[in-house]
Amino acid sequence: DIQVTQSPSVMSASVGDRVTITCRTSQGIKNFLAWFQQKPGKVPKRLIYGASTLQNGVPSRFTGSGFGTEFTLTISSLQPEDFATYYCLQHDTDPPTFGQGTKVEIK
Amino acid sequence: EVQLVQSGPEMKKPGESLKISCKGSGYRFSNYYIGWVRQMPGKDLEWMGIVFPTDSHTMYSPSFQGQVTISADKSINTAYLQWGSLRASDTAMYYCTRFVVGYITSESFDSWGQGTLVTVSS
Repeated sequence: DIQVTQSPSVMSASVGDRVTITCRTSQGIKNFLAWFQQKPGKVPKRLIYGASTLQNGVPSRFTGSGFGTEFTLTISSLQPEDFATYYCLQHDTDPPTFGQGTKVEIK
Repeated sequence: EVQLVQSGPEMKKPGESLKISCKGSGYRFSNYYIGWVRQMPGKDLEWMGIVFPTDSHTMYSPSFQGQVTISADKSINTAYLQWGSLRASDTAMYYCTRFVVGYITSESFDSWGQGTLVTVSS
C-alpha cells in the first residue's frame, strides 16, 4: 500500500498568515490526490481534487499543487473560518490512504 | 441532488454483531465505488475499504482486513459495513463516500454520508 506522510501534524497560525501543508507519498501517484477540511463534529469537505483543481465554492485563497510524490496545500491568507483539520488523500491505488492530518490552530 | 444517507447511531455491547448502511440517491449508484472511513473519537480519518456495487468487488485496507465486511446491494442502491463481533475499540464515527477509480473527476469524494456513530460499551 502507498504510505502518505503529511506534515506538520499541528500548526499554530494567525489570521492573515500564509499556511502551507505538505503531503509526500511513498511512490508516485501522478495527480490522484485530494485535500479535505474537517471541522469538529462535521463531515469532511473536499477542497481540492486532482492535486490542484479547486472545488466549486471553495475560496480562491486555497491552492493545491504537486505531482508524483510531493504535494502542497496553501492557504494564502488564513481566515477565522479556516481553523480546522486538513487531510490529504491519495487514490491512485486501491485502497486509498489518508495523510495523518494537520490541525491548524489559532496562535 | 446526489445524496448518501447513512443509518442511525448504534449502541452495542462487546461481542454483538452490527450492520450499518449507506444509501445513495441522485446518481447511478452502480457506477461509483463506495468507500468506508473510520474516525475514532478525537482521531484522524482512516480508510477502511471499498466496494463496487456493480460486481460487489471489495478491497480492504490492511488494518481492517478480516475485521469488517463490506458489501453492497445495487438493487436498492445501498452499501453496508458489518461486524461479526464488536469490540470497544470499534467505537467511532463511520462515514461513506463515493468515488471513481482510474481517472480524476469532480465526482470523486464530493459527497459523503452524514456519518454513523457506533458506540460499543458493556
